[in-house]
Amino acid sequence: SQTIHQWPATLVQPVGSPLSLECTVEGTSNPNLYWYRQAAGRGLQLLFYSVGIGQISSEVPQNLSASRPQDRQFILSSKKLLLSDSGFYLCAWSPDRSHSGNTIYFGEGSWLTVV
Amino acid sequence: ELKVEQNPLFLSMQEGKNYTIYCNYSTTSDRLYWYRQDPGKSLESLFVLLSNGAVKQEGRLMASLDTKARLSTLHITAAVHDLSATYFCAVEPDSSYKLIFGSGTRLLVRP
Repeated sequence: SQTIHQWPATLVQPVGSPLSLECTVEGTSNPNLYWYRQAAGRGLQLLFYSVGIGQISSEVPQNLSASRPQDRQFILSSKKLLLSDSGFYLCAWSPDRSHSGNTIYFGEGSWLTVV
Repeated sequence: ELKVEQNPLFLSMQEGKNYTIYCNYSTTSDRLYWYRQDPGKSLESLFVLLSNGAVKQEGRLMASLDTKARLSTLHITAAVHDLSATYFCAVEPDSSYKLIFGSGTRLLVRP
């Protein structure tokens, strides 16, 4: 069966520090991969999605970046965090590149507090 | 710009009662998704609706899709406390790989 792992689960980072969140999917190949952010008490905002290695689409301008160095690995990074980057970050995947009605499955999430 | 609007945003209801959550969206789409989120947790997939007129039911929850009206509903029958959570609808714009989420409906079921 397919599983998605996301880490770290929680982190507290000072303003201006770098960030790296990592996500891996097991038990499937060629997945679509996504990074979403959820501010406290709010809905989900799509940050990045990827349909293949090295293929990253950015949805909103920000100081975050994403990379997909391997088929089932998706990394969210920042060189210098802002207070506004605080939130709940969710990695997600869907079974194949066509997507075509397959549901998107979410990881357990990473709580980021920027202080 | 694609908009996905849910209402109500907050719903407090008594156990045993029925209610409906509405999800309106502003673009053409044949695919509509419902998720549940418990406090502090990730999202759990509830339903995937893939065509006009689609209806799916699981336990006390039933979801439907009207693509012509750009409307989906999530109906709760005889609510129980365990249904307390935040419910999100999400739309997949045509020919895209991504889901756009509504703001969520926070449901509280009171004894």
